[in-house]
Amino acid sequence: GAVVSQHPSWVICKSGTSVKIECRSLDFQATTMFWYRQFPKQSLMLMATSNEGSKATYEQGVEKDKFLINHASLTLSTLTVTSAHPEDSSFYICSAAGTGVHEQYFGPGTRLTVT
Amino acid sequence: AQSVTQPDIHITVSEGASLELRCNYSYGATPYLFWYVQSPGQGLQLLLKYFSGDTLVQGIKGFEAEFKRSQSSFNLRKPSVHWSDAAEYFCAVGGNRDDKIIFGKGTRLHILP
Repeated sequence: GAVVSQHPSWVICKSGTSVKIECRSLDFQATTMFWYRQFPKQSLMLMATSNEGSKATYEQGVEKDKFLINHASLTLSTLTVTSAHPEDSSFYICSAAGTGVHEQYFGPGTRLTVT
Repeated sequence: AQSVTQPDIHITVSEGASLELRCNYSYGATPYLFWYVQSPGQGLQLLLKYFSGDTLVQGIKGFEAEFKRSQSSFNLRKPSVHWSDAAEYFCAVGGNRDDKIIFGKGTRLHILP
């Protein structure tokens, strides 16, 4: 089946620094990738949708200048949390879709802790 | 607007007992429906999905779900649970190819030995 990886699996950074999370589709070409955020014991909230080669579409309330998304190739999307603050600490999950949004394959997630 | 309701935050069942997790959705057209499972600290795994056709859908790990349009429900069932089924279960709904998928708040399943 389709495999999606994320790197790193967990990261700790200091407040004010930036951190980049990678999402890769390992065995298929992902025309669309999605980034979700999950708070402890809560559901997944879609942050943004990115299509290869174009700007990401952000959900209402998500700061595009804070959460920079790049989808430069059909197998890689990155999420950069800029000037991170403790409230950005969360579990970030990406997913990738090849043929349509309904065939999303999820990565294992990245735990971000901002101190 | 589309939405998903999972009325049970926690459910506890004994190992070997049957299981039903409830899911109700709101969507203006024919929905695409999903059930995902998430183990602690892990990503999501698709258990099953309904797009069209037979309203009783078989999934992995012995799970099944039934789409009932009249009740706007898509409940997940398993005849006999195993301790390894303890996890968080999310129901989700989507629409046409360009619609995003909306997740319910999840149901945490606990298994008693």
